[in-house]
Amino acid sequence: SAVISQKPSRDICQRGTSLTIQCQVDSQVTMMFWYRQQPGQSLTLIATANQGSEATYESGFVIDKFPISRPNLTFSTLTVSNMSPEDSSIYLCSVSVLGGYEQYFGPGTRLTVT
Amino acid sequence: KQEVTQIPAALSVPEGENLVLNCSFTDSAIYNLQWFRQDPGKGLTSLLLIQSSQREQTSGRLNASLDKSSGRSTLYIAASQPGDSATYLCALGSNDYKLSFGAGTTVTVRA
Repeated sequence: SAVISQKPSRDICQRGTSLTIQCQVDSQVTMMFWYRQQPGQSLTLIATANQGSEATYESGFVIDKFPISRPNLTFSTLTVSNMSPEDSSIYLCSVSVLGGYEQYFGPGTRLTVT
Repeated sequence: KQEVTQIPAALSVPEGENLVLNCSFTDSAIYNLQWFRQDPGKGLTSLLLIQSSQREQTSGRLNASLDKSSGRSTLYIAASQPGDSATYLCALGSNDYKLSFGAGTTVTVRA
């Protein structure tokens, strides 16, 4: 398994600003992902964070809005840029550990945009 | 595109009753299926992972079955407890590790 931490756990931000969310894992992992969970809805995959290269985005998500970094095998950041109230969601990172497909999730970052 | 449906959306049972949660999917070419638990405002906790070649997995009071031919999985929770109250999500995994989630079943176990 893997122990995943996210910072911040929650934040309230003003429209038009940006927030960077950090995801730290206690061991090296193969895959890291970022998901969004809008209020009352299930999870939607934003992108796969690739180590040392550009992230792979899902349909409907773009790099200018959600830039992602993954400088090494245990750390990734997601930035939510030029925020609007529609970006109010829980953002979660997940990982798959070496040799397995089971995914483990961080505790999430609850973002409210006013 | 994989479509994942969970019925019912909400369930309320008295303590001690067995829980049966359903998950159906449209594309049987899955790599695995994973059941998660989510407490209000929290992240996800992995409960069980079933590989596509398996029919079921068990962990304590939890048992999950998988029938690819009919596109269904069922999560059984025996002898429910108030601490089992949460939202339960099923997710279909592909060979590129991506997960497609259902909307979840919110369970309330009444003491």
